[in-house]
Amino acid sequence: DAMVIQNPRYQVTQFGKPVTLSCSQTLNHNVMYWYQQKSSQAPKLLFHYYDKDFNNEADTPDNFQSRRPNTSFCFLDIRSPGLGDAAMYLCATTEGEGLGETQYFGPGTRLLVL
Amino acid sequence: AQSVTQPDIHITVSEGASLELRCNYSYGATPYLFWYVQSPGQGLQLLLKYFSGDTLVQGIKGFEAEFKRSQSSFNLRKPSVHWSDAAEYFCAVGLKTSYDKVIFGPGTSLSVIP
Repeated sequence: DAMVIQNPRYQVTQFGKPVTLSCSQTLNHNVMYWYQQKSSQAPKLLFHYYDKDFNNEADTPDNFQSRRPNTSFCFLDIRSPGLGDAAMYLCATTEGEGLGETQYFGPGTRLLVL
Repeated sequence: AQSVTQPDIHITVSEGASLELRCNYSYGATPYLFWYVQSPGQGLQLLLKYFSGDTLVQGIKGFEAEFKRSQSSFNLRKPSVHWSDAAEYFCAVGLKTSYDKVIFGPGTSLSVIP
């Protein structure tokens, strides 16, 4: 029944060692989002894809990249993780890009940077 | 600048008591408003949303919210809280910038005393 799947649920990496987080969806939605959520804070949008069109938030660090090879999958690449990148990373989808669209969230991947 | 505020960082209520979580927004146009709930270690789930029409909106799990334009508020209510309602609650507003996006408030953590 899972509609937005994130693997792994927990990821440990070393300072400066590249890491990739994965998200897949069975909803066939056009839009996929990546959010960063630090402890006791609101989710912060990093970027999103509308189909293959990529939209980067202005304040998203260059250290964060994303790939969407097909409709179902989207990846978050952190090229050189720092201690400040430790957070929960949430993937979400919407069918379209309208303001009223319901976002469907995955359970998140908690990233720990040692 | 557009923003969403949730004045209460943490609220504790007894099981069976009524609940009201506050949300205020700052946005020039008529907003799209949402309430999401996040259980520990999980992604966010939509409770309800408002675009237009009846200002009292019914959602899932017995929640409702009322849009008050004069107060720029969209408070979430539940007449009788259950222990399973303990979670983090996020108010959010849909914005139209160069593309449509959602901004989340800082969240209110709800604890329920048995």
